[in-house]
This record gives sequence, structure tokens and C-alpha cells, in this order.
Amino acid sequence: SAVISQKPSRDICQRGTSLTIQCQVDSQVTMMFWYRQQPGQSLTLIATANQGSEATYESGFVIDKFPISRPNLTFSTLTVSNMSPEDSSIYLCSVEYRSEAFFGQGTRLTVV
Amino acid sequence: AQKVTQAQTEISVVEKEDVTLDCVYETRDTTYYLFWYKQPPSGELVFLIRRNSFDEQNEISGRYSWNFQKSTSSFNFTITASQVVDSAVYFCALSELSASKIIFGSGTRLSIRP
Repeated sequence: SAVISQKPSRDICQRGTSLTIQCQVDSQVTMMFWYRQQPGQSLTLIATANQGSEATYESGFVIDKFPISRPNLTFSTLTVSNMSPEDSSIYLCSVEYRSEAFFGQGTRLTVV
Repeated sequence: AQKVTQAQTEISVVEKEDVTLDCVYETRDTTYYLFWYKQPPSGELVFLIRRNSFDEQNEISGRYSWNFQKSTSSFNFTITASQVVDSAVYFCALSELSASKIIFGSGTRLSIRP
């Protein structure tokens, strides 16, 4: 299996600021994914991040708001920019490893 | 377009009762994968099962069982003799690939009362 470490596990941020979430996996993976789970809601895919190429964003998500980096096969970051209270969510990193999906523990973000 | 519907928003049963969580999906793909995940109050996603579209055999794992019926586009999940520790939000999900771009249903919050 692939073990995913997400940092931070939780944070409380002021509106207007930005937060970068890190996702580290213990195996090399081609595809990494970022999901958002708003309070009481389901998980929604934000973007797919492949190493060496620009991230592909789903409808409703834009690079200016959620810039993603993927510098190598084991690491990715998601930045939530210019935050507002509506960005308060759990953000989860996921990877595809040997045809299985693995999820990180999530980053619980509260914007005040 | 792909879609997963979990019509049951919340279910509450008394411990030891059996409970079935419904899941209906939509896809135009002939090859696809269905999943069930558990999300306990701690927030992490716990993988329960993955099924591909060519395998309609029902699955049983301890107190858990899954019924996959392509004719009705359903992938229902039954917990037998429920326990308090089963209390969680359960998500049904769909993907056209084995582990990529998973589309989640809205979830069913299951509460097991002692």
C-alpha cells in the first residue's frame, strides 16, 4: 500500500491569507489528486496533478485560487489562496498506486 | 456524465439490527469501478470495497455484504448485526478508471444506538 502524510492536519487561518498543504507519499506515483470536503458534504475533486505537467482542474476550480505544485513523484502541494470562510473544508490528497486509491488523513481548514 | 446517488441522508438503527445503505449510479462507460468508503468522526477515509463493472458477484466480508446489480445500476451495502462502532458516514463512489478521479455520492450518515 501507499502511505500518505498530509501537513498540516488542521489549521485556523485569517481571511485573505493563503495556506499551503503538503502531501507526501512513501512510494513513487504518477497521479495525485486533491479533493475538498465542505462541512457536512461529500468529497469533490479539485484537480489532478501529474508530475512534469500542469495540474488539470475540475469545473468550478481555478488555478489562481488553488495553485498546485508537483515537483516529483512523491510530493505535491495545494495552496488555498486569498481565503474566505467559504473555504473552510477538509482538503484531502489521494494517490493512485498499483491501481488502488489511497487517501491522506486530510487537512481540516477553518477560515475566520 | 457520471453520477452517484445516495438517497438516504441519515439512518438511525438500534444496535444489532441489520441496515442497508442504498447506492444508485449513472455512467455511460462499459468499464467502471464502484467503491464504498467509511468516514468515522475522526475524518479519515477508510476503504471498504472496490468492484469492477464485470464482476457482479456479491461480496461478503464479515458483517459487511455488498449487492451489485447492473440491471438496476445499484451497489447496495448491508451491515448485519450492526454495532456502535459502525456509526460513520458511508460514501458510495464511482470511477471510470481503477483508482483515478473518483466521483463520490453525497454520503449516508449512519448512527447505531446502543
